[in-house]
Amino acid sequence: KAGVTQTPRYLIKTRGQQVTLSCSPISGHRSVSWYQQTPGQGLQFLFEYFSETQRNKGNFPGRFSGRQFSNSRSEMNVSTLELGDSALYLCASRASGNHNTDTQYFGPGTRLTVL
Amino acid sequence: AQSVTQPDIHITVSEGASLELRCNYSYGATPYLFWYVQSPGQGLQLLLKYFSGDTLVQGIKGFEAEFKRSQSSFNLRKPSVHWSDAAEYFCAVGDYTGTASKLTFGTGTRLQVTL
Repeated sequence: KAGVTQTPRYLIKTRGQQVTLSCSPISGHRSVSWYQQTPGQGLQFLFEYFSETQRNKGNFPGRFSGRQFSNSRSEMNVSTLELGDSALYLCASRASGNHNTDTQYFGPGTRLTVL
Repeated sequence: AQSVTQPDIHITVSEGASLELRCNYSYGATPYLFWYVQSPGQGLQLLLKYFSGDTLVQGIKGFEAEFKRSQSSFNLRKPSVHWSDAAEYFCAVGDYTGTASKLTFGTGTRLQVTL
């Protein structure tokens, strides 16, 4: 079974632009979460989607948004990019909302550089 | 709010030596605990997890971890380190509210292995 895939793997943008990152979960997984990883702040939770609904959100400004499609694929969008948005953005999928099967599997990440 | 502390930022061990990476958590209820490993430029790979039951958990690549509720700890161990174990290791606690979930990560421990 294929793992979590993220596209693109690398991205360079300039301040003020917007960016869209894509994540395809493991086949059959319905939950997708996004995390931001930076040297200064470490790994921080952005949001979680399940069945096209956002059901948890981290402490990030409204410039960070996401959505999930009916096939469970997810996108996250960052508008009005700032230098501090440079980070590795990780997507994780899990099978369902059931705690007992709750293991998150991570993709390789998208490295975003904001100039 | 939940939190995870990894007191050691960087650890160096010789190949063949034993390893213990420390993790302390703060969580109000029964914790769901995880250890992930990240190689340079890669996403996170799950090493092992603790949900309930036996407090000594076996994982992949010869790793194990022991949950000690009285010490709020979940330390990762390996009896004999291989050069390929050099990576960054993250301890995480899962927070599940209803059907929403998120992982809270520690700041990570970078492991260097000398030959």
